[in-house]
Amino acid sequence: DAGVIQSPRHEVTEMGQEVTLRCKPISGHDYLFWYRQTMMRGLELLIYFNNNVPIDDSGMPEDRFSAKMPNASFSTLKIQPSEPRDSAVYFCASSFRDWFGTEAFFGQGTRLTVV
Amino acid sequence: KDQVFQPSTVASSEGAVVEIFCNHSVSNAYNFFWYLHFPGCAPRLLVKGSKPSQQGRYNMTYERFSSSLLILQVREADAAVYYCGCSGAGSYQLTFGKGTKLSVIP
Repeated sequence: DAGVIQSPRHEVTEMGQEVTLRCKPISGHDYLFWYRQTMMRGLELLIYFNNNVPIDDSGMPEDRFSAKMPNASFSTLKIQPSEPRDSAVYFCASSFRDWFGTEAFFGQGTRLTVV
Repeated sequence: KDQVFQPSTVASSEGAVVEIFCNHSVSNAYNFFWYLHFPGCAPRLLVKGSKPSQQGRYNMTYERFSSSLLILQVREADAAVYYCGCSGAGSYQLTFGKGTKLSVIP
């Protein structure tokens, strides 16, 4: 398997524009997570899905952020409108249910810069 | 609020044993996960468990509310950010700390 695939790797956009980040999880994984990485806060969980259903979105910072998972192989994180403070690296991760507890497999991230 | 705490920076000399400490206030959490992150790459799992564990040069100590990652014979190439994460019984959510940046002095 190619692992978790995120696109684009880098995104530069102007304030006020809509931004869409994409993620393809590892085949067979039933959990998908979106994280935001910043110097100040480290890795913050934004939202996660189980079997394509959003389970916990309490980490989504504002209504400007939304996430969808229309099927088991694709998810999007959308920011509309974007603001400079949204600049960060956004990671997608996936995992599968086991008795031990989840080990998250991460993608390489999307570096977002809002100017 | 569920939180994971770890130092922001740690420095070590090459060849030494480095310890990165982590503790948490995450409800019902008992599993620890230690990830390695190089900028521009995907964070990678090093070691995990609800008991002391070892994977190559990486050792993980375990207490109910804390864990340490021990890196044996540290090298310059180990300079990176290390994340501590926790999850609990019946939870598939990983809560991470802010990361510890390791500097290695040759």
